[in-house]
Amino acid sequence: AQKITQTQPGMFVQEKEAVTLDCTYDTSDPSYGLFWYKQPSSGEMIFLIYQGSYDQQNATEGRYSLNFQKARKSANLVISASQLGDSAMYFCAMRAGLASGTYKYIFGTGTRLKVLA
Amino acid sequence: EPEVTQTPSHQVTQMGQEVILRCVPISNHLYFYWYRQILGQKVEFLVSFYNNEISEKSEIFDDQFSVERPDGSNFTLKIRSTKLEDSAMYFCASSVGPGGIDTQYFGPGTRLTVL
Repeated sequence: AQKITQTQPGMFVQEKEAVTLDCTYDTSDPSYGLFWYKQPSSGEMIFLIYQGSYDQQNATEGRYSLNFQKARKSANLVISASQLGDSAMYFCAMRAGLASGTYKYIFGTGTRLKVLA
Repeated sequence: EPEVTQTPSHQVTQMGQEVILRCVPISNHLYFYWYRQILGQKVEFLVSFYNNEISEKSEIFDDQFSVERPDGSNFTLKIRSTKLEDSAMYFCASSVGPGGIDTQYFGPGTRLTVL
């Protein structure tokens, strides 16, 4: 079975500081993708960053980086230099490879981040 | 930049009525999905669609739900007889391919309210 766990229901961070949002996953498929999405209060799901299970390097996209530790099955999102506009719900998601015979995303329960001025 | 679009943004309906939620996926994408998010809860998979047929569906996607790609651009979700518990945000998503490396791009969602 595949599972995504986000253990932090809420986080606070001071503006301009870095913050790490935790995500652990479980799958028996050797090929999978890990994704982070941002959901602001307006409700849309905004794709932030992707990490493939075979990628050697940690993914980075601007101020977002993914701290991928395969042996620990963790894929934590790091936001550097937090901005007020980063206040939102953040979801970690996994998509197993074709060997699992499934195309769907499995989502975690999300972490609500609040950036303080 | 291409994006997934959804209409309407908000739909209010009476219990027992049929609703159709519409989506226009990104034009070169081949795989389409519906997810829902009950207020304050996590995003749940409903169904995936490829080559004009359902590839996979969840337990939520019962006989009250159906999907269709009526033309080359639209992808619809129909709920035949809505229940109060169908009130949720419904997201359409699309991807180029099916595998783990293929990012799914989400539309802005349709908020469905069943009274």
